[in-house]
Amino acid sequence: GENVEQHPSTLSVQEGDSAVIKCTYSDSASNYFPWYKQELGKGPQLIIDIRSNVGEKKDQRIAVTLNKTAKHFSLHITETQPEDSAVYFCAAGIYNFNKFYFGSGTKLNVKP
Amino acid sequence: DAGVIQSPRHEVTEMGQEVTLRCKPISGHNSLFWYRQTMMRGLELLIYFNNNVPIDDSGMPEDRFSAKMPNASFSTLKIQPSEPRDSAVYFCASIPGTGYEKLFFGSGTQLSVL
Repeated sequence: GENVEQHPSTLSVQEGDSAVIKCTYSDSASNYFPWYKQELGKGPQLIIDIRSNVGEKKDQRIAVTLNKTAKHFSLHITETQPEDSAVYFCAAGIYNFNKFYFGSGTKLNVKP
Repeated sequence: DAGVIQSPRHEVTEMGQEVTLRCKPISGHNSLFWYRQTMMRGLELLIYFNNNVPIDDSGMPEDRFSAKMPNASFSTLKIQPSEPRDSAVYFCASIPGTGYEKLFFGSGTQLSVL
């Protein structure tokens, strides 16, 4: 099955700096890569996703990049704010297959 | 829309007891997922249902775990007997159906088995 590895496990940045979280996957059949944000005491929420036919996708301060050849994808958050502090999960799966494998999570702390 | 509703929010029980976690998916969603979250293993998919039918239960750790979905608006995850290593946060999630990939998660059940 698919194996998703995520790094780093914790990340601390100063407000206004950029944050980058990286993930690798093992199954070349995976073609859908979502990112979820989990705030304290809540369930994860989708913040951005990318399909394998696209190399990069942006939504305001967040962006995701995908390198299919190397089987890795990354989340980039620019101009970080304290409300970005949360646990972020990457995931990989096959579109329309309804089965996603999650990374182990990255706890992001944005210091004011 | 109330979102995915899970109960209880917290459950503390003793080893050997039966535990039942409950989930109400978003109305109209026809796929439901149970995930377990631990520090060591992150988010693991336990089982998922499509139109109330279990499609993939390969993530269910062992026979002590069972899940049912008797109708489109209700699902249970049961652990019998419970063990301390079952302590985790259990999430339920739903999606409208095939072709729609965004998972809507509930707030989770924090289970502690003493």
